[in-house]
Amino acid sequence: AQTVTQSQPEMSVQEAETVTLSCTYDTSESNYYLFWYKQPPSRQMILVIRQEAYKQQNATENRFSVNFQKAAKSFSLKISDSQLGDTAMYFCAFMNNDMRFGAGTRLTVKP
Amino acid sequence: GAGVSQTPSNKVTEKGKYVELRCDPISGHTALYWYRQSLGQGPEFLIYFQGTGAADDSGLPNDRFFAVRPEGSVSTLKIQRTERGDSAVYLCASSLQGLGETQYFGPGTRLLVL
Repeated sequence: AQTVTQSQPEMSVQEAETVTLSCTYDTSESNYYLFWYKQPPSRQMILVIRQEAYKQQNATENRFSVNFQKAAKSFSLKISDSQLGDTAMYFCAFMNNDMRFGAGTRLTVKP
Repeated sequence: GAGVSQTPSNKVTEKGKYVELRCDPISGHTALYWYRQSLGQGPEFLIYFQGTGAADDSGLPNDRFFAVRPEGSVSTLKIQRTERGDSAVYLCASSLQGLGETQYFGPGTRLLVL
């Protein structure tokens, strides 16, 4: 079974600085999708970024980018120019036959 | 509506009671998913619908849990003989088609079983 590991339960960063959240996964599949979702206290899961495993180019969305290392089964999220509104839980997710989530990283952006 | 909606937003019930949780997906989305999120954990997959049929129900924990989507739109998650361990946030998501598509989540229903 696929597993997703987020090794950082909590992270903090100063406003305007850069932070990287780690994610590793375990699978024997070659075709899959990876996601980062943000969950603020309102509970609504919001898509941050998506990566198709067959694409070598790392996905980027404005201040958010990923470092996808397929051989290492690693999918880290980099947040540049952190903003107070980025404070939330961040979940890494793996999708093949179903969607598996990591346990999350609580990110706090400090003013 | 513009997004996925779920009702009720909060539900308190007593052990042994029956509950129904409703999900209204984004219009036109054929795939619908239910997840359970316990405190401090990531969402855990329960069931996936493609149209009216359950394409994968391998995540349902036991036969007390059942979900339907009779017209391929609104879905209801039903829990019989609730137990305190069922307390969690139940999330619903929908996607335009099937697996591989981005899933859009609702705000969840927080279920508390006393």
